[in-house]
Amino acid sequence: NAGVTQTPKFRVLKTGQSMTLLCAQDMNHEYMYWYRQDPGMGLRLIHYSVGEGTTAKGEVPDGYNVSRLKKQNFLLGLESAAPSQTSVYFCASSYFLAGRGTQYFGPGTRLLVL
Amino acid sequence: DAKTTQPPSMDCAEGRAANLPCNHSTISGNEYVYWYRQIHSQGPQYIIHGLKNNETNEMASLIITEDRKSSTLILPHATLRDTAVYYCIVRVGYSGGGADGLTFGKGTHLIIQP
Repeated sequence: NAGVTQTPKFRVLKTGQSMTLLCAQDMNHEYMYWYRQDPGMGLRLIHYSVGEGTTAKGEVPDGYNVSRLKKQNFLLGLESAAPSQTSVYFCASSYFLAGRGTQYFGPGTRLLVL
Repeated sequence: DAKTTQPPSMDCAEGRAANLPCNHSTISGNEYVYWYRQIHSQGPQYIIHGLKNNETNEMASLIITEDRKSSTLILPHATLRDTAVYYCIVRVGYSGGGADGLTFGKGTHLIIQP
């Protein structure tokens, strides 16, 4: 099992550009999450999904959109990137019966917005 | 979710047991104690969780006091690869539906000395 994978690993954007971050998991998990981590800070939840076709807002959803068309994939979109979105983005997934607190994380995507 | 308090940093000699404390005096009866770690630049890694009984897995042991107001994560034979930030998180574990994110505080930076 590859677990949770994220694409790309690193990206540089100019202000106003758009991009999509891809998260994929092969563990058949129902729940998926997108977090951001700024330097020296903890992770903050952006959006999450409790199943295929469903999404919900987390703590810091502004400027981001998400989609979960397939159970194994969770996409995070930035329509018009801003320097404040420079961060490391982590995707996670969890199995419903394993409990909400047991989440498995991907390796992260480092995004720099100039 | 209950608030947790951890020391900002700790040192441990390689090969020794690393004991990481966590205070969670406001924990509720249905809240679990979860431990994660984040090795530099990587995604957080789930370690272990428990409700009131002590737990052990291949990575670590979790000791929860009888009043559940504090806990200790034990890495029995620390190696250099265990150098990381360790997070103690208290939250409701299982649910009948829905999911939300984990709240990561500042954690304990554990440094394993050769």
